[in-house]
Amino acid sequence: ILNVEQSPQSLHVQEGDSTNFTCSFPSSNFYALHWYRWETAKSPEALFVMTLNGDEKKKGRISATLNTKEGYSYLYIKGSQPEDSATYLCAPILTGGGNKLTFGTGTQLKVEL
Amino acid sequence: EAGVAQSPRYKIIEKRQSVAFWCNPISGHATLYWYQQILGQGPKLLIQFQNNGVVDDSQLPKDRFSAERLKGVDSTLKIQPAKLEDSAVYLCASSPTSGALNQPQHFGDGTRLSIL
Repeated sequence: ILNVEQSPQSLHVQEGDSTNFTCSFPSSNFYALHWYRWETAKSPEALFVMTLNGDEKKKGRISATLNTKEGYSYLYIKGSQPEDSATYLCAPILTGGGNKLTFGTGTQLKVEL
Repeated sequence: EAGVAQSPRYKIIEKRQSVAFWCNPISGHATLYWYQQILGQGPKLLIQFQNNGVVDDSQLPKDRFSAERLKGVDSTLKIQPAKLEDSAVYLCASSPTSGALNQPQHFGDGTRLSIL
């Protein structure tokens, strides 16, 4: 069983704050890592797919970095807004792990006014 | 483009009853996935189809769960009989190809199943 850990489990921030979350995974046999945002009562939305060590990707105020050698990825949100409130899920893919996404339990973000 | 369609959105049944979920993927997407997300856990892959063939069903409880994807388009997931531990959100997702794991998956809104 592939062990994927996300921290923190939940986070409350004020509007305008910047924040970051961590996704940890086994570093061996890495193939790719997906980040998704899942708002309540909506469908999970793809944010990033990352494949290369040292990769940095950005989408508006959200960015992510990847370290495949040590097995972690960071997701950053700059200037959080209430509409950023959602659960953020990471899912690495390891070759030999069935070539499928293995999701972490997610970080639940609540941005308050 | 139209997204992944799922129905119903909510379902409440008693244990030992049967239930079925339906999914219509994005047009042209060859790969279809069914996930189970139990409260407090991440989504878990139940079954993956490439066109109308099964690629991975290693985590599908085959004694009670079944899925089919006739004609390689729509799919149905069935539970018979349901147990209390099947209470979860069932998500359907699709992607253009199976081998390109660096492509994002497109998810439906899910079906929230409650077993009484």
